[in-house]
Amino acid sequence: KAGVTQTPRYLIKTRGQQVTLSCSPISGHRSVSWYQQTPGQGLQFLFEYFSETQRNKGNFPGRFSGRQFSNSRSEMNVSTLELGDSALYLCASSSRPVDAANEKLFFGSGTQLSVL
Amino acid sequence: GENVEQHPSTLSVQEGDSAVIKCTYSDSASNYFPWYKQELGKGPQLIIDIRSNVGEKKDQRIAVTLNKTAKHFSLHITETQPEDSAVYFCAAFTSGTYKYIFGTGTRLKVLA
Repeated sequence: KAGVTQTPRYLIKTRGQQVTLSCSPISGHRSVSWYQQTPGQGLQFLFEYFSETQRNKGNFPGRFSGRQFSNSRSEMNVSTLELGDSALYLCASSSRPVDAANEKLFFGSGTQLSVL
Repeated sequence: GENVEQHPSTLSVQEGDSAVIKCTYSDSASNYFPWYKQELGKGPQLIIDIRSNVGEKKDQRIAVTLNKTAKHFSLHITETQPEDSAVYFCAAFTSGTYKYIFGTGTRLKVLA
């Protein structure tokens, strides 16, 4: 069974640009969560999608947005990039919504975004 | 808000020794506590978890303990091997907000 796939692996952008990251969950998984990982900060929750609906979101500005398609694939978009957005963006999938009986998360390898 | 503190941030042990990583959570409603191992260039991988109705869980060389009263949980790795070298994250699931709150990670180095 293929794992969580994130593309691209690396991205270099400049301030002010926008970027779109993609995540394909494990086959059969319908929940996708996004996290931002920076050195010293651990993993910060961005949002969770289940069946094309955003179920939960973290404390990030509106420049961060996402969506989920009918095949459960998800995209995350960051507009007007800032230097502080440089991070590893991780996607995690689970078979049910995260709030359903402590559903386990399975992570992809992430997209490393560098903003210059 | 909810918070998970993790210590130490770095840990070096000799091969064969034990390693202990500790986490403290703030939300008393947290009821599920997974541990993840992240190797270089990879995403975090679940290695063990524990639910709030259990005090200890063991899986071969890895064990996790939970003290609900003190809001502490710990990861214990015995007979460490070089392949245990990685960054380890603890997390607490908060049933109030339905979110996972992660610790800031511990970089474990096992010296051969």
